[in-house]
Amino acid sequence: DIVMTQSPLSLPVTPGEPASISCRSSQTLLHINGYNYLDWYLQKPGQSPHLLIYLGSTRASGVPDRFSGSGSGTDFTLNISRVEAEDVGVYYCMQGHQTPRTFGQGTKVEIK
Amino acid sequence: QVQLQESGPGLVKPSETLSLTCTVSDGSISSYYWSWIRQSPGKGLEWIGYIYFSGSTKYNPSLESRVTISVDTSKNQFSLKLTSVTAADTAVYYCARGVGGYRFEYWGQGTLVTVSS
Repeated sequence: DIVMTQSPLSLPVTPGEPASISCRSSQTLLHINGYNYLDWYLQKPGQSPHLLIYLGSTRASGVPDRFSGSGSGTDFTLNISRVEAEDVGVYYCMQGHQTPRTFGQGTKVEIK
Repeated sequence: QVQLQESGPGLVKPSETLSLTCTVSDGSISSYYWSWIRQSPGKGLEWIGYIYFSGSTKYNPSLESRVTISVDTSKNQFSLKLTSVTAADTAVYYCARGVGGYRFEYWGQGTLVTVSS
């Protein structure tokens, strides 16, 4: 199985400031087709996860442009340019390169 | 807007079979990959498996001997069966629609299943 490792696991943030979450995979997520099969999800308190980013850097429909994904191979980053109060929750990366799909441990983002 | 809704018993006895159904509304179950994902209390997310609308399946090897996912296109539903459950199977179970078996764009609200006698 591909192991997904996120850091940090807890991230206190100040509204209006940027934030960054790292995700590393134990194997490359870069497919021969040139795409990185890496998703980012946000699970807000009491809700189901929802998709933020897929293929490493493509924002899902309706996702604000303050969210961006980058990286390739085994190292990926989710950036929030200016954190808003509604961005609190647990962020997960997930690899879609092979089965079984595997998730990172989650990064809990909370307001300072 | 596609909606997914899980249904099934919230309490299952140890050694019995957990059975859940996901009903897809406002969208056809044809095309796409349909997954089950679970989250143990206070823990992270675990992918259980998926089924393509044609019926082909992939399961997590850690659960494969106990899992069956099936689809009923006439009812726009897909289902999960997990046999020989133990307390370790207590979790919130989500159904989700994925593109290519990843990119889970739509999720159900989740249903808590507790394994207890």
